Amino acid sequence: GAGVSQTPSNKVTEKGKYVELRCDPISGHTALYWYRQSLGQGPEFLIYFQGTGAADDSGLPNDRFFAVRPEGSVSTLKIQRTERGDSAVYLCASSSMTSGRTFNEQFFGPGTRLTVL
Amino acid sequence: LAKTTQPISMDSYEGQEVNITCSHNNIATNDYITWYQQFPSQGPRFIIQGYKTKVTNEVASLFIPADRKSSTLSLPRVSLSDTAVYYCLVGPIMDSNYQLIWGAGTKLIIKP
Repeated sequence: GAGVSQTPSNKVTEKGKYVELRCDPISGHTALYWYRQSLGQGPEFLIYFQGTGAADDSGLPNDRFFAVRPEGSVSTLKIQRTERGDSAVYLCASSSMTSGRTFNEQFFGPGTRLTVL
Repeated sequence: LAKTTQPISMDSYEGQEVNITCSHNNIATNDYITWYQQFPSQGPRFIIQGYKTKVTNEVASLFIPADRKSSTLSLPRVSLSDTAVYYCLVGPIMDSNYQLIWGAGTKLIIKP
């Protein structure tokens, strides 16, 4: 079956612009996570969805970051007024407790590399 | 929140068994230990998960002592393709609201 997909794979933008990053989770996975990863570091948690609602957005760095998951499947991470410090790889993961799996067994997409010039 | 400590990097050679140890002194009673592997330009991939003693799958083995304050990921007969970053994480598996804390991982380099 299809894994987690993310689009675009690369995004170059200018400081101050608005960007949207898309995540298509594995079908049927109720939990969806967004992470940000900088070079040489592990993933940094941003936000977690259970179904359509954001169950935990404590990792969002500031109010320029926002994410939605309107139908409980596809999610979009939105970044307003981008800054150079936002440059990183943005990872999406999904998980489910079906088929004997656990929430800690997260399936990751390939990520979107965001570069803010 | 339970945190983990693991070596920043390790080197080994093809065909060898590699053991990566992770310390988690503050692990809670309901925490499980989960290991992920990440190749360059890819998202992390789940390898193995366990609570105590030994867990084995087709990829690796996980050894957890009785006090659970550490764990060892064992990769049998590594190949060049096992070069990757390996992350050790702890947390409750039944609680989707718990956010796993990722450290910098262990960069494993396999040499010919």
